[in-house]
Amino acid sequence: DTEVTQTPKHLVMGMTNKKSLKCEQHMGHRAMYWYKQKAKKPPELMFVYSYEKLSINESVPSRFSPECPNSSLLNLHLHALQPEDSALYLCASSQEMSSYNEQFFGPGTRLTVL
Amino acid sequence: GQNIDQPTEMTATEGAIVQINCTYQTSGFNGLFWYQQHAGEAPTFLSYNVLDGLEEKGRFSSFLSRSKGYSYLLLKELQMKDSASYLCAVRDRSASGGSYIPTFGRGTSLIVHP
Repeated sequence: DTEVTQTPKHLVMGMTNKKSLKCEQHMGHRAMYWYKQKAKKPPELMFVYSYEKLSINESVPSRFSPECPNSSLLNLHLHALQPEDSALYLCASSQEMSSYNEQFFGPGTRLTVL
Repeated sequence: GQNIDQPTEMTATEGAIVQINCTYQTSGFNGLFWYQQHAGEAPTFLSYNVLDGLEEKGRFSSFLSRSKGYSYLLLKELQMKDSASYLCAVRDRSASGGSYIPTFGRGTSLIVHP
């Protein structure tokens, strides 16, 4: 299994809602990443987990809250988002964070905040 | 940090060869990736260069010159399905505090026409 899965594929939420994005991989990768991508822009790194511990937080607002319940799962909890947070949210994984490894990306969740 | 530059858009004819350039500036270069991303989909890994020279993989080749801060992705025998965005991503060890997280360039949108 060389796949990263993400659910849901699409999400529409209001600014007062609380929702969660989910990401799963069964490749035994120990590094997992959240990226945000706006249209016609490159992916921007948000968070990195290494061995289930948060290693990098790229100064992301607290309305985004990541969680890594185990080595296969990565969640992104959303609360009180703004319309400008509408974007494609990509999850990725790699074998390790601290050595060369290609990243495998999931298909993304297309988020729209009304 | 990195300063990564790629052309915004390129067009080419089916069956032709196209070269997509990427220039970068880093203080601790530690590898360069090329990813392909179709509209609305996740990036997929194409190639990785850390030493100077050409890496060939089927119809795709990637070249790196570390002294010039320059890479290119060469696509041969272009097919319509090669129409996509091509992202250059550079890993700068000094910028990421010793970790190996690549930063993506804005991407080059390649349009292949018949």
